Amino acid sequence: GENVEQHPSTLSVQEGDSAVIKCTYSDSASNYFPWYKQELGKRPQLIIDIRSNVGEKKDQRIAVTLNKTAKHFSLHITETQPEDSAVYFCAASPWFSGGYNKLIFGAGTRLAVHP
Amino acid sequence: EPEVTQTPSHQVTQMGQEVILRCVPISNHLYFYWYRQILGQKVEFLVSFYNNEISEKSEIFDDQFSVERPDGSNFTLKIRSTKLEDSAMYFCASRENQETQYFGPGTRLLVL
Repeated sequence: GENVEQHPSTLSVQEGDSAVIKCTYSDSASNYFPWYKQELGKRPQLIIDIRSNVGEKKDQRIAVTLNKTAKHFSLHITETQPEDSAVYFCAASPWFSGGYNKLIFGAGTRLAVHP
Repeated sequence: EPEVTQTPSHQVTQMGQEVILRCVPISNHLYFYWYRQILGQKVEFLVSFYNNEISEKSEIFDDQFSVERPDGSNFTLKIRSTKLEDSAMYFCASRENQETQYFGPGTRLLVL
């Protein structure tokens, strides 16, 4: 069935270092891949997303790469700051116009950025 | 900026009782979702809703669950007879025609 694997489950970095989180998906029909950040007790917030017609997307310190052949995508955070500490979820969806677009989530990565 | 809202923020109930979780999606959104997150686990899809009917549901969404959009603003999730394993954070989400789903703050349900 549909599944998204996410690694690592926890990640600890020093402030200023880079962090990389990786996900693989099983459903070949998936074509939309968002990343959500969830701070303790708060709602998941979209931080970046990528569609299957693009291999890489960048937004300031955050970038996402997608390899459709290998069915994996990654989140890269550069120059990490303490406020980046949160749980990060990847997700995949077989999105199409007029479709219902459920998100299949990975298990999450708890990122801790130490000053 | 408009946000999805949910009430209540916390709900404690006895096993076997009915609960209704309420959501107000963003006003111009057309697609609505419920997800749940058991403590420490991943966010799981429950159901999607469009044009006043369920468009897709997961295996979790059995006969004990139902959804309704009783008026133009609210979107509710009802659990008819709660079980201990229904204890989780329940998130409502909505989107317009584009892909991005916006999540509400969640309702933490505890079944005793």
